Amino acid sequence: DQQVKQNSPSLSVQEGRISILNCDYTNSMFDYFLWYKKYPAEGPTFLISISSIKDKNEDGRFTVFLNKSAKHLSLHIVPSQPGDSAVYFCAASAYGNKLVFGAGTILRVKS
Amino acid sequence: KAGVTQTPRYLIKTRGQQVTLSCSPISGHRSVSWYQQTPGQGLQFLFEYFSETQRNKGNFPGRFSGRQFSNSRSEMNVSTLELGDSALYLCASSLEKGPAQYFGPGTRLTVL
Repeated sequence: DQQVKQNSPSLSVQEGRISILNCDYTNSMFDYFLWYKKYPAEGPTFLISISSIKDKNEDGRFTVFLNKSAKHLSLHIVPSQPGDSAVYFCAASAYGNKLVFGAGTILRVKS
Repeated sequence: KAGVTQTPRYLIKTRGQQVTLSCSPISGHRSVSWYQQTPGQGLQFLFEYFSETQRNKGNFPGRFSGRQFSNSRSEMNVSTLELGDSALYLCASSLEKGPAQYFGPGTRLTVL
């Protein structure tokens, strides 16, 4: 039962352009959503989170949008940089610290 | 602040053995969670400890156990290792109620 889905295994973007990573979920009890970035042989790095009572949260080049009616969230990276190339994981939690992760999307930013 | 540290970074064991992994959280963080990452199943939650008590548990067999000490450091133990236990084991720490969890570099366990 995949409660959090990232349907795009990979995404390729030109440097300076916008990267949009998508995530869908099925559990209406999720109250927080998070995005993590992961490089090989390292642990995931926290990027940004959003509460279920909000629809947008910004932090520098990263913006997360939440559409509760569609059970969909997205991460926008503007402008994309080569150092952003990594695996991006969407995660969700329901009233606690148990994170449910998506399968990840590989982002490649071409210079 | 120092980040989450995990030891050892790499471990090779044989089937039937047991293993103990260690995690030191970020200073001031009292919640420690453990996750398993495999190519087939992705990142899966094992359990969470807060104030030396298991607060949440994932869907893993009883061979997987953990504990937390009074200084918030945590250990996880896997007994009777199976080939399928080969994975990257990640520890994450957070404040009492996240949501952000901060991960360590992981312990790569290989079971032969």
